[in-house]
Amino acid sequence: AQSVTQLGSHVSVSEGALVLLRCNYSSSVPPYLFWYVQYPNQGLQLLLKYTSAATLVKGINGFEAEFKKSETSFHLTKPSAHMSDAAEYFCAVRVTGNQFYFGTGTSLTVIP
Amino acid sequence: DSGVTQTPKHLITATGQRVTLRCSPRSGDLSVYWYQQSLDQGLQFLIQYYNGEERAKGNILERFSAQQFPDLHSELNLSSLELGDSALYFCASSVDVRADNEQFFGPGTRLTVL
Repeated sequence: AQSVTQLGSHVSVSEGALVLLRCNYSSSVPPYLFWYVQYPNQGLQLLLKYTSAATLVKGINGFEAEFKKSETSFHLTKPSAHMSDAAEYFCAVRVTGNQFYFGTGTSLTVIP
Repeated sequence: DSGVTQTPKHLITATGQRVTLRCSPRSGDLSVYWYQQSLDQGLQFLIQYYNGEERAKGNILERFSAQQFPDLHSELNLSSLELGDSALYFCASSVDVRADNEQFFGPGTRLTVL
């Protein structure tokens, strides 16, 4: 069975500080992993995805994530937080052509 | 703009009623997914259609049903509505069913059941 765990439902960082949002997955086969962002009153937007090519994946808005098979992790990072990064972030795993399994989300607050 | 459209944007109705939510996928996408997002349950996958056929079922109640039409738009029907059905309902689409395809999400329909 597949599942995703996002540690920390709320994360606060100061503007300019490092952003680290944690995601661990459980999968019996090599997974495809995704990070989505949801701004208030909007749908989800893809930030980046891992599809078994490079383990370090770069996405939009300066975000990147590293796939670590040994740790079953796919943490999302950004070197310097911006006020506009405040949003809800979802990690998702998919191993078949069917459904995505989403984590419970992490709400990021950026403090000026 | 993801290219996925959903109507209506907001829907307010009473318990026991029936509503229909509509989704038009991105041009060229054959697969449509429905999700329910609520504060207590997070983002829950409901059902997936691919080229008109049901492909996968998630946590969809028997009171809920969906279909995908020949023009690939999809409708989610919710009946005998309860207060707990109040949520954001998202539609997403993808090109096909390959696992590395991302899903593109619509803006959602906010359903309020009074």
